[in-house]
Amino acid sequence: DGGITQSPKYLFRKEGQNVTLSCEQNLNHDAMYWYRQDPGQGLRLIYYSQIVNDFQKGDIAEGYSVSREKKESFPLTVTSAQKNPTAFYLCASSPLAGSSYEQYFGPGTRLTVT
Amino acid sequence: QQQVKQSPQSLIVQKGGISIINCAYENTAFDYFPWYQQFPGKGPALLIAIRPDVSEKKEGRFTISFNKSAKQFSLHIMDSQPGDSATYFCAASIGADNMLTFGGGTRLMVKP
Repeated sequence: DGGITQSPKYLFRKEGQNVTLSCEQNLNHDAMYWYRQDPGQGLRLIYYSQIVNDFQKGDIAEGYSVSREKKESFPLTVTSAQKNPTAFYLCASSPLAGSSYEQYFGPGTRLTVT
Repeated sequence: QQQVKQSPQSLIVQKGGISIINCAYENTAFDYFPWYQQFPGKGPALLIAIRPDVSEKKEGRFTISFNKSAKQFSLHIMDSQPGDSATYFCAASIGADNMLTFGGGTRLMVKP
């Protein structure tokens, strides 16, 4: 999984609770991303960050928050405002310089909220 | 609005056959078209990618065909093997921002 770790692999929470998903990379990549994956809908971008202390909303940012205090870390918080949080969450990173546009993905965290 | 449409949603192929997955895009500004392979419970991994200045790219058994005028690109898996059984995603992005727009995915099953 290319130097990107996500923890935990499975996460269970009660409705109404905030939960934070961890993402760490040791690839020295500038950019990091969070995606949500639901069956039959591909990957949808939640948030992305191209530099420390800066991040941008993706297509489905409502109910989520992020921080980028260190280059190697990009945690995602799923808040109680997210109406349907049960999903598979994927973190990715990529270099911004050079010709490679490849995004490297972590192993994912499966979140179940009941 | 889905900018990258992928078909079929699922595909069953016999071992040794050719698997073909198609994608169509709308935004002519896209300039990078990767294919990702994902096994159950794992993150996607880059399989092969193409830029619009070439019409075909081959890596081993995997080939991307690109038709700029039709705004379509496809993945061909030759001599498909049971180990190729996975979900495949096409994607597209614009420039160095590297913001990937993904297709909906194709679940491929290769029967032995």
